Amino acid sequence: GENVEQHPSTLSVQEGDSAVIKCTYSDSASNYFPWYKQELGKGPQLIIDIRSNVGEKKDQRIAVTLNKTAKHFSLHITETQPEDSAVYFCAARLGNFGNEKLTFGTGTRLTIIP
Amino acid sequence: SQTIHQWPATLVQPVGSPLSLECTVEGTSNPNLYWYRQAAGRGLQLLFYSVGIGQISSEVPQNLSASRPQDRQFILSSKKLLLSDSGFYLCAWSVEGYTEAFFGQGTRLTVV
Repeated sequence: GENVEQHPSTLSVQEGDSAVIKCTYSDSASNYFPWYKQELGKGPQLIIDIRSNVGEKKDQRIAVTLNKTAKHFSLHITETQPEDSAVYFCAARLGNFGNEKLTFGTGTRLTIIP
Repeated sequence: SQTIHQWPATLVQPVGSPLSLECTVEGTSNPNLYWYRQAAGRGLQLLFYSVGIGQISSEVPQNLSASRPQDRQFILSSKKLLLSDSGFYLCAWSVEGYTEAFFGQGTRLTVV
């Protein structure tokens, strides 16, 4: 099955600076890579995703890059703000019919220091 | 629009008692449904997923079971809870194919 590793587990960043979270996956057949943000006591919310036919995707202050050869993808948050503080999860999904489930990384607790 | 409902939000149950958590999805047909568990300070572990009524796949051996009696209803159960069953349980749905998964708000289960 798929295995997703995520680093770092905790990250503290000064407000206004950039934050980068990295993930690697094991199954080269994975073709969809979402990132979720989870605030305390709530379910994860999708913030950005990327498909395997794309190398980079950007949405305002957040961007995701994918390197299929190396099997790793990263989340980049620029101009960080206090409301960016949360736990972030990466995930990888196999596209095979009947095997469409997300495998998650272990999460990164991001703290933005005012 | 599609919505997912999960209840209860919090639950405290004694060891050995039964469990039933319910999840329903509105606004879509034949969704893929998932139960995840999140232990304190850890990632999301997939417990069960279902691609249709009565079709349940278990990802990890455990004290829990799942059922899908209706197209948009997914139930997580246990006959006898263990202390190790404590955690944050999340239901999610997705559309067959390559689209994202949407999560419910979760149930925090504490077994005492």
